[in-house]
This record gives sequence, structure tokens and C-alpha cells, in this order.
Amino acid sequence: ELKVEQNPLFLSMQEGKNYTIYCNYSTTSDRLYWYRQDPGKSLESLFVLLSNGAVKQEGRLMASLDTKARLSTLHITAAVHDLSATYFCAVVPNTGTASKLTFGTGTRLQVTL
Amino acid sequence: DAGVIQSPRHEVTEMGQEVTLRCKPISGHNSLFWYRQTMMRGLELLIYFNNNVPIDDSGMPEDRFSAKMPNASFSTLKIQPSEPRDSAVYFCASSLLVGGTGGNQPQHFGDGTRLSIL
Repeated sequence: ELKVEQNPLFLSMQEGKNYTIYCNYSTTSDRLYWYRQDPGKSLESLFVLLSNGAVKQEGRLMASLDTKARLSTLHITAAVHDLSATYFCAVVPNTGTASKLTFGTGTRLQVTL
Repeated sequence: DAGVIQSPRHEVTEMGQEVTLRCKPISGHNSLFWYRQTMMRGLELLIYFNNNVPIDDSGMPEDRFSAKMPNASFSTLKIQPSEPRDSAVYFCASSLLVGGTGGNQPQHFGDGTRLSIL
């Protein structure tokens, strides 16, 4: 069974600081997705990572994928309050049902002033 | 462009009643997914359709749950009879699956239905 683990589960950080969220998964995969969810809201797609070494950046967020280590990171640079949300990674294994996403536990990020 | 549309947004009903959740995927998308989100279990995939055909229903918790997709623009998730432990937020998502390898497009989520079974 595919396991997707994120850490930390909860992160409180000050505005202006940098931090990294980690996503580890237990099977071979070349496709990993990052989503954002605001409280009581839907999930919004942030990044699609499709190969080893892939790096995507949008504003203060940067995501990377190391398929050999089965690890993705979401790096936050100079955090601002608007980034407060829960962040999920999701993995599609290379074998099995195409497009079947398995989500991580989520990391709740709180950016304080 | 309209996103994934779900209805109702909220549903409160008594144990034993039938519940039907509805979803309209994004026009042109050929894959549709039903998820359940709870604090205890996180986000779980219940069932996945491709070109209106159920591909993987291994996440459907039990026979009380059923899902249909009669055409490319509509899907339902039905719970009968409902139980308090079914209380959760149910999300529908859609994506464009290209080719046979799963494609690369992200799934687009609706706003969800918050279901409470008393």
C-alpha cells in the first residue's frame, strides 16, 4: 500500500522566515502534485512535478522532486500571512491505476505577524 | 470558465436517510473522482471514472455507497442508508486524462459537500 507522509504536520512561522515542508512516499513515482487548501475551502493545484530533479516556482513557493529518494520538498521563502493554509502533496504511483492520487496527511501552515 | 460544480454545499439529515451528492465536472474533462475528507482519515479516494466508466472503486467503504456517471457532465454519489460515521466533506474532482499512461494534468476540485448525519 502506498504511503505518503508529510512533515511537519503543523508549522507556525513568523513572517519573513524561510521553511521547508517535506513529502516522502513509499513507492516508485514520477508524478507528484502539491495542493493548497484554505479552511473550509476546496483544494487548489499549486505545482505538478513530473520527473526527477523537477523544480517549479511560483512567488514565494518552490517545489522540487527527487524520485530516487522518493522525496518532494515545498520551500517557503520570506513567508507572508497570506500563505497560511494546509498544504498537501499527492502521488501517482508508476504502477497501478493511472491518475489515482494518494494524498499525504497535509501540513497546516500558520504564518504569524 | 466554470469549475467543478457540486451540490448541495451542505446537507444535514438523519441516520437511515438516503443522501445523494451531485457533481458537474469541467467541460472537456474525461476523468472524474469522488473523495472524502475527514480529520481522522484525511483525503481518501472513493471512486474514479474515466469516460463515464468506473475504473477503480476500491475506496468505496461499503455497499451503502454507490456512484454513477450517466454522461460526461454529471455524476452522483449516493449513500443509502446513511450513518453518523459518514459525516465528512465530500469532494468531486475532474481532470483531462491524455493517453493511456495517466496524463499529467492536475485534478480540479469542486467546493465540496459538507455532510452531517445525525
